[in-house]
Amino acid sequence: GEDVEQSLFLSVREGDSSVINCTYTDSSSTYLYWYKQEPGAGLQLLTYIFSNMDMKQDQRLTVLLNKKDKHLSLRIADTQTGDSAIYFCAEMGENAGNMLTFGGGTRLMVKP
Amino acid sequence: DAGVTQSPTHLIKTRGQQVTLRCSPKSGHDTVSWYQQALGQGPQFIFQYYEEEERQRGNFPDRFSGHQFPNYSSELNVNALLLGDSALYLCASSRYSTTNEKLFFGSGTQLSVL
Repeated sequence: GEDVEQSLFLSVREGDSSVINCTYTDSSSTYLYWYKQEPGAGLQLLTYIFSNMDMKQDQRLTVLLNKKDKHLSLRIADTQTGDSAIYFCAEMGENAGNMLTFGGGTRLMVKP
Repeated sequence: DAGVTQSPTHLIKTRGQQVTLRCSPKSGHDTVSWYQQALGQGPQFIFQYYEEEERQRGNFPDRFSGHQFPNYSSELNVNALLLGDSALYLCASSRYSTTNEKLFFGSGTQLSVL
């Protein structure tokens, strides 16, 4: 089946930029998403990008998509302690309806 | 505007029992999907309901079944519970479309099977 991979852990200092990376295998992916999960909570949609775009910026968040290499990244500018959470990359295939395939998540730790 | 709501928030069952989880979608949404998130992993798709029918199904056994009601709310039923069914069960709602770009998730039901 299709696969989405993420690194497990990232640690940054408050005020620095964070970059979380994701790779996927489904060449028919139409939308790619970033979700945030805080302890004991559900998933919060942060941002998404359509597959015909290569960049999307939303306040402190920048999403970069390299469709050729099937690589997605999420950059968080001026990272704050409140950004500490698990970040999930997810993709939706062309004929997947509303079904998402998720990566295993990257735990972001922000040190004061 | 209420978002996606799930009940109960926590549940403890023993092996072999049956469980029912409930979900109310976000206002204006007609499609409900269920995901299982085991500890330390990403969510895995179980199935999706639209117009009271199962439209898609992930790689889960028949012990997992569901239902959607005319008001778009949904139930997830799991029979003959196994220890490995312990997980956070997430409900997501959306509007039915093969190109819909946004799924909104509830806070989940934490199921512990002892």
